[in-house]
Amino acid sequence: AQTVTQSQPEMSVQEAETVTLSCTYDTSESDYYLFWYKQPPSRQMILVIRQEAYKQQNATENRFSVNFQKAAKSFSLKISDSQLGDAAMYFCAYRIIQGAQKLVFGQGTRLTINP
Amino acid sequence: NAGVTQTPKFQVLKTGQSMTLQCAQDMNHEYMSWYRQDPGMGLRLIHYSVGAGITDQGEVPNGYNVSRSTTEDFPLRLLSAAPSQTSVYFCASSPWGQREYEQYFGPGTRLTVT
Repeated sequence: AQTVTQSQPEMSVQEAETVTLSCTYDTSESDYYLFWYKQPPSRQMILVIRQEAYKQQNATENRFSVNFQKAAKSFSLKISDSQLGDAAMYFCAYRIIQGAQKLVFGQGTRLTINP
Repeated sequence: NAGVTQTPKFQVLKTGQSMTLQCAQDMNHEYMSWYRQDPGMGLRLIHYSVGAGITDQGEVPNGYNVSRSTTEDFPLRLLSAAPSQTSVYFCASSPWGQREYEQYFGPGTRLTVT
């Protein structure tokens, strides 16, 4: 069974600094997606960034980038120039490409931004 | 488009009561699913559907029933509520396809079972 592990229950960072959230996963599949979702206090799940396993280039979306290490099964999220609005729970998630679009989520990391 | 809507937003039940959480989407998505979110455990898949009349179990299906009679609606039924079902419930939808990656989440329903 696929599993996703986020080993940092909480992280904090000073505003304008850079922070990295960690995620590891376990799978025997070769073709899959990895995602980072943001959940602010409103509870809404917001897709931040995605990575397709067959692509070697790390995904980037504005201030958000990932470090995808397929052999190590590691998928970290880097937030640059942290802003107060980045404060939220962040979830790492995985799904295989084949079959149903079932997401497997990690436990989440609560990110606090200090002004 | 309203996107994915869920009702109610909050609900309190007594142990043994039954109820239905409603989920609807207006994007003509084939794939719909239900997750529950518990503290420290992330979101876990309860049931999912790949189209009208087709449903299947996810990771934590016990105590829940689903049906999909239309493309738009995917209700989640709690047959006999238990305190262990206290959680936040999310419905999500997506176009069907291997390379379809975006899942659209509803705003969630917070359920408390006393």
